[in-house]
Amino acid sequence: AQKVTQAQTEISVVEKEDVTLDCVYETRDTTYYLFWYKQPPSGELVFLIRRNSFDEQNEISGRYSWNFQKSTSSFNFTITASQVVDSAVYFCALSEPFSGGYNKLIFGAGTRLAVHP
Amino acid sequence: EAGVVQSPRYKIIEKKQPVAFWCNPISGHNTLYWYRQNLGQGPELLIRYENEEAVDDSQLPKDRFSAERLKGVDSTLKIQPAELGDSAVYLCASSFPGSETQYFGPGTRLLVL
Repeated sequence: AQKVTQAQTEISVVEKEDVTLDCVYETRDTTYYLFWYKQPPSGELVFLIRRNSFDEQNEISGRYSWNFQKSTSSFNFTITASQVVDSAVYFCALSEPFSGGYNKLIFGAGTRLAVHP
Repeated sequence: EAGVVQSPRYKIIEKKQPVAFWCNPISGHNTLYWYRQNLGQGPELLIRYENEEAVDDSQLPKDRFSAERLKGVDSTLKIQPAELGDSAVYLCASSFPGSETQYFGPGTRLLVL
């Protein structure tokens, strides 16, 4: 069965520290997508990145970077020089295809990141 | 471009009362999703629409939950009657045809007393 595990429930750091959020997934499919979403206190899930299973290149976007490793079924997210505004709950998600060609997002339980000044 | 709009943002009701949530997806997004997010957990899909058609409602508790998307744009999710365990955040999301990426609204936080 498809599953996403975010083992870190809460992380607390001081501003300017680097922090890595772990994500491990399980799937039998060879074609799938992985996502990261940010959920600030306002409640809206903000899309950060999408990765398909055939693209293992790491990606950097400003202070954010993502490390995708199929060998370990991991898709980790690093924030460099964290800021107070990064405080939020971060969700990793897996998109699985099922009959009819439609895809369903399977979310992890989320990691709550608190960045203190 | 306007994002996914949901209303109300908050709702407090007593158990056994009915409640309805409304969602307006991003313009041009023909796929619409309703999720439920319990406290401390990730969202879980309730129902997915392709235009007016509900293509996956396997997780929707059909004894008390119903949803509609009559003209393939706005959607309404209803609970009747509400139970204490229905307290959660109800999120609506939408996506472009054929796209894997879903964009979420701010959600409706429901508290059933």
